[in-house]
Amino acid sequence: AQKITQTQPGMFVQEKEAVTLDCTYDTSDQSYGLFWYKQPSSGEMIFLIYQGSYDEQNATEGRYSLNFQKARKSANLVISASQLGDSAMYFCAMREGFQNTGRRALTFGSGTRLQVQP
Amino acid sequence: KAGVTQTPRYLIKTRGQQVTLSCSPISGHRSVSWYQQTPGQGLQFLFEYFSETQRNKGNFPGRFSGRQFSNSRSEMNVSTLELGDSALYLCASSLESGHHMNTEAFFGQGTRLTVV
Repeated sequence: AQKITQTQPGMFVQEKEAVTLDCTYDTSDQSYGLFWYKQPSSGEMIFLIYQGSYDEQNATEGRYSLNFQKARKSANLVISASQLGDSAMYFCAMREGFQNTGRRALTFGSGTRLQVQP
Repeated sequence: KAGVTQTPRYLIKTRGQQVTLSCSPISGHRSVSWYQQTPGQGLQFLFEYFSETQRNKGNFPGRFSGRQFSNSRSEMNVSTLELGDSALYLCASSLESGHHMNTEAFFGQGTRLTVV
């Protein structure tokens, strides 16, 4: 089964509007972390926001917020007031907990290509 | 503060050759991870190094190897290159590798490898 599922290969949004990028995850661990990254055409992965599985409040970082619904295993990214520079690939990722073997690697979804239109 | 630096940025190699990619993490970061990104497979974890020790390894053949030096700089090597090794190879550094779920990983711009 896919660990991270991003069902929207591509999204369009008008400049200044809000957009939600979907992410669902699958894990049996109680302790895990969820991340969103932005990848512009240059290739670099830019960290946007993090949500821990035990965090009671949704994470926010400037125009980015994470709509965390633990029971549904979803961690959607909300970008408010979209800007032209937000056009990029967006990846949801998860770092699962561990038992005795230490931290595990990031598992990424397939990404959503967001295009912001003027 | 300098970010994660990967060299070279672009590389073209022939099948059967070997290649070495380099990654210099953010100063003070001791954990370095490598990922392969291809259109077909997406982003896949290769391995993680912490304090010169490989702590974690993804599901890649033994042709893929890596190491980390005492200054935390890391190299990955791919031997006997195949066409399918063409990809963007991304390196990420983290402040620590331990019981911290929210240790964010800072990525470099990647090395784009083309095998012909």
